[in-house]
Amino acid sequence: AQSVSQHNHHVILSEAASLELGCNYSYGGTVNLFWYVQYPGQHLQLLLKYFSGDPLVKGIKGFEAEFIKSKFSFNLRKPSVQWSDTAEYFCAVGNNAGNMLTFGGGTRLMVKP
Amino acid sequence: DVKVTQSSRYLVKRTGEKVFLECVQDMDHENMFWYRQDPGLGLRLIYFSYDVKMKEKGDIPEGYSVSREKKERFSLILESASTNQTSMYLCASSSLPRAEQYFGPGTRLTVT
Repeated sequence: AQSVSQHNHHVILSEAASLELGCNYSYGGTVNLFWYVQYPGQHLQLLLKYFSGDPLVKGIKGFEAEFIKSKFSFNLRKPSVQWSDTAEYFCAVGNNAGNMLTFGGGTRLMVKP
Repeated sequence: DVKVTQSSRYLVKRTGEKVFLECVQDMDHENMFWYRQDPGLGLRLIYFSYDVKMKEKGDIPEGYSVSREKKERFSLILESASTNQTSMYLCASSSLPRAEQYFGPGTRLTVT
């Protein structure tokens, strides 16, 4: 069975600080990897995704993630966070058939102005 | 833009009541999903459907059932609501294998 671990449950940063959120997964097959974001009061939306190719993936709003196969990791990064990045972030792994996503427990990010 | 709508944003029901949560998507997606979201547990898949009248159990189907009579509509049914089903329920849809899922705004259900 697939599983996804997000080790940081709560992160507090000041504006302009750099961000890295950890995501590790366990899955035996070819993985499809996602980061979703949920801003306060809004629905979950896709931040970025990895299916194949360049392991460094760029998403919206300056976010990027790196797939490291040997470490079963897909960490999310942003060089300089803004107050508007305050949200909950979810890592997810999809199975080969594409019909199921397994989500991590989420990381709540608070950015102080 | 893909739009996934859910019938209610907030719902309060009593223990033992039958509860229907409705989800509609407007992009002709084949796949539809129901999750529940709880703090610290992320999203857990309850059921999904890959075609009309087809359904598959997810990770936590106990106490729930689903119905998909039309391609655009996917309903989640709590036959007899219990307090441990108090949660945020999210519906999602996707169009192809490996494609991203698009989520609705969620229904916060409280069972008293």
